[in-house]
Amino acid sequence: RKEVEQDPGPFNVPEGATVAFNCTYSNSASQSFFWYRQDCRKEPKLLMSVYSSGNEDGRFTAQLNRASQYISLLIRDSKLSDSATYLCVVTLASGGSYIPTFGRGTSLIVHP
Amino acid sequence: DAGVIQSPRHEVTEMGQEVTLRCKPISGHDYLFWYRQTMMRGLELLIYFNNNVPIDDSGMPEDRFSAKMPNASFSTLKIQPSEPRDSAVYFCASSSRDRGGYGYTFGSGTRLTVV
Repeated sequence: RKEVEQDPGPFNVPEGATVAFNCTYSNSASQSFFWYRQDCRKEPKLLMSVYSSGNEDGRFTAQLNRASQYISLLIRDSKLSDSATYLCVVTLASGGSYIPTFGRGTSLIVHP
Repeated sequence: DAGVIQSPRHEVTEMGQEVTLRCKPISGHDYLFWYRQTMMRGLELLIYFNNNVPIDDSGMPEDRFSAKMPNASFSTLKIQPSEPRDSAVYFCASSSRDRGGYGYTFGSGTRLTVV
């Protein structure tokens, strides 16, 4: 089983739609969780951290379910500019360091 | 803040040649990571440093790959000899334990093509 798994998609949605992605992780000792966004031929950029209580940043909501070992990202009122690949990141403590593992990413296409 | 700076942006080389990729992390960040991204395998962690010391190089594919961090502001990833299967985008990222959430900042990457 892969450490971090995501549905590759693509998710093809119209503008204004609500779309949700899930990401599962295999190691229950995982410490920190993030969502990154990667545009075509660009580097990944931090979208938001994911906290146990859930957190929101404008149209984006992230949730963590430790019992089921998954995190989710909800995007409301999708914009054309939201089209990108969304990477799930899980970090694991190792010898005092925090090692990030990236999922393969979920592709989102928002169309007019 | 100039961010993480990588060079070159693009590299095309012939099989068997030595390739050196360079990275300048964000000042004050004490962690530096080298990743490789391909369509087949996604983002793979190759090696990471903490305070210029290599901590885990288990992701380095084979002995042809080596990485150094001679000081806090510079790191290199070297491939010698290069092979066509090394073609990928290589990212450097840096982070600081003091940053809330331990987010990682990536450079723009080096797109390597080995022919």
